[in-house]
Amino acid sequence: DTEVTQTPKHLVMGMTNKKSLKCEQHMGHRAMYWYKQKAKKPPELMFVYSYEKLSINESVPSRFSPECPNSSLLNLHLHALQPEDSALYLCASSPGQVVGPTNEKLFFGSGTQLSVL
Amino acid sequence: GNSVTQMEGPVTLSEEAFLTINCTYTATGYPSLFWYVQYPGEGLQLLLKATKADDKGSNKGFEATYRKETTSFHLEKGSVQVSDSAVYFCALTGSGNTGKLIFGQGTTLQVKP
Repeated sequence: DTEVTQTPKHLVMGMTNKKSLKCEQHMGHRAMYWYKQKAKKPPELMFVYSYEKLSINESVPSRFSPECPNSSLLNLHLHALQPEDSALYLCASSPGQVVGPTNEKLFFGSGTQLSVL
Repeated sequence: GNSVTQMEGPVTLSEEAFLTINCTYTATGYPSLFWYVQYPGEGLQLLLKATKADDKGSNKGFEATYRKETTSFHLEKGSVQVSDSAVYFCALTGSGNTGKLIFGQGTTLQVKP
């Protein structure tokens, strides 16, 4: 299994709602990532978990709350979002956190397309 | 910090045409370089990579050579197909082994039959 699975594929929520995005991989990878991608833009890193611990938070607003319950799962909890948070949210994983020098690559899921009304 | 600049798109080609997408970078140290591709409605997939100067990455007919003297990593393909239509992102590792990838702005390629 070489896939990163994200659910749901599409999500529409109001600004007062609470929702969660889910990500799962069964490749034994120990690093997992959340990226945000606006239309026609590159992905922007939000969070990195390494060995189930949060290792990077790119100054993301607290209305986004990541959680890594175990090495295969990554959640992103959403609360009181703004319309400008509408975007494609991508999950990714890699064998370890360091990308590049150890020749590791990121495996991306297909993303959750989020619309905030 | 490290950064990457890609040629602006969109790039529109006829099937079997030659493709070049330019990518240049600025970096401290010796970053690894990548090309990722994003097909419509999907996440990104690694297309190819190079980890040191003069390395050539290749996959599915695409090639790119890590040129330290010109700080470039241009993507080329000799004969594109309609199925190559996608957005292509050049990327490099951030400085300091932080686990970050720095992405370029992306170049949209449209191949017409």
